[in-house]
Amino acid sequence: AQTVTQSQPEMSVQEAETVTLSCTYDTSENNYYLFWYKQPPSRQMILVIRQEAYKQQNATENRFSVNFQKAAKSFSLKISDSQLGDTAMYFCAFMKAVPEYGNKLVFGAGTILRVKS
Amino acid sequence: ETGVTQSPTHLIKTRGQQVTLRCSSQSGHNTVSWYQQALGQGPQFIFQYYREEENGRGNFPPRFSGLQFPNYSSELNVNALELDDSALYLCASSFPDGIYEQYFGPGTRLTVT
Repeated sequence: AQTVTQSQPEMSVQEAETVTLSCTYDTSENNYYLFWYKQPPSRQMILVIRQEAYKQQNATENRFSVNFQKAAKSFSLKISDSQLGDTAMYFCAFMKAVPEYGNKLVFGAGTILRVKS
Repeated sequence: ETGVTQSPTHLIKTRGQQVTLRCSSQSGHNTVSWYQQALGQGPQFIFQYYREEENGRGNFPPRFSGLQFPNYSSELNVNALELDDSALYLCASSFPDGIYEQYFGPGTRLTVT
């Protein structure tokens, strides 16, 4: 079974600064996907960024980038130039690339990020 | 393009009752997954429907059941409600050939008293 661990329950950052959220996972799979989702107080879960395990290059999406370390099973999210709208709960999630029965996301417990003005 | 919608937004039920939650998938998506998110926790996978059949199930008892309709919308039914069923229920839909990327609805907040 896969597990995802987010060791930082809460983080805070000043507006315009950079923050890094940590995530580690455990799996025996070689092919999989990793995701960061954002859940603002409005509750809508929004995909922030995706990483395919077979790709060595780290994914980037505007101000969001990841540091994917496959051997260490680590997948951190870096948010640059933090904005007030980045305040949300952030979830790290894992999905097998070749599921035997359904494609399910396995989520971590989440990190609350507060951006301060 | 319409996103994933869920109804109702909130509801309150009494222990032992039954509840039905509804989800309309995003246009073009034929796969729907349901997740339960307890307060302060990450979502837990309940089950997934693909072409009107269950296509994967998490560690939830049989009193959690579902349906998918020909238009790919879906229902989650929970019988004999327990206090621990109080949670946010999220629905997510996927493209047929991009099943790894799931698009979530706003959720239904269920409170069991």
